[in-house]
Amino acid sequence: QLQLEESGGGVVQPGGSLRLSCLTSGFTFHSYGMHWVRQAPGKGLEWVAFIWADESHMYYVDSVKGRFTISRDISKNMLYLQMNSLKTDDTAVYYCLREGKLSHGNNYYYPFENWGQGTLVTVSS
Amino acid sequence: QSVLTQPPSASGTPGQRVSISCSGSSSNIGSNTVNWYQQLPGTAPKLLIYSDNQRPSGVPGRFSGSKSGTSASLAITGLQAEDEADYYCQSYDSSLRGWVFGGGTKLTVL
Repeated sequence: QLQLEESGGGVVQPGGSLRLSCLTSGFTFHSYGMHWVRQAPGKGLEWVAFIWADESHMYYVDSVKGRFTISRDISKNMLYLQMNSLKTDDTAVYYCLREGKLSHGNNYYYPFENWGQGTLVTVSS
Repeated sequence: QSVLTQPPSASGTPGQRVSISCSGSSSNIGSNTVNWYQQLPGTAPKLLIYSDNQRPSGVPGRFSGSKSGTSASLAITGLQAEDEADYYCQSYDSSLRGWVFGGGTKLTVL
């Protein structure tokens, strides 16, 4: 059974750093791209970052470019999000997601199918 | 300000049909597929619809999706009290080179 377990959230001051981790199991980790998506308290969903299965490409939402780094350790089945220069606007629940792979006809589609339970990051002085 | 635009709220009575709209542009909905998610209070979102109108295994047939041009819609028929939740549309934006969500619609079952 696929499992995604985030950890590393907590309270940090503006300008500080935090590293989120996501322990994965139940699937072939090195075969799937992985996302981070966040949700500020009482607000909507925002995609944050994506890393290809082979780690060759990473993509970020503009608001975190240059501050956040997504990475993965295939030997440990772990996904990470290194967050530097944190701002109060980064306060959110951060979800780890495996890209979905669902078929329709002769094509595959990659929605956000599998979500972790999330970890809360609070940036406050 | 979300890239995709949804109404902030919607409502209906049990048994009714409710529709939630999602408006985008040529760089997202107009050229990429749309997915829909349901988020019950205090839980992680759940995939409801993918590829505009496909239901993953386990999602009731009461939920359906459609798309025309740069807009998409989620329809719920035979509304039930347990459908009270937040609903989000999502697509990929080719110009931004990233995944985008709507701001979410809070559905109230009266």
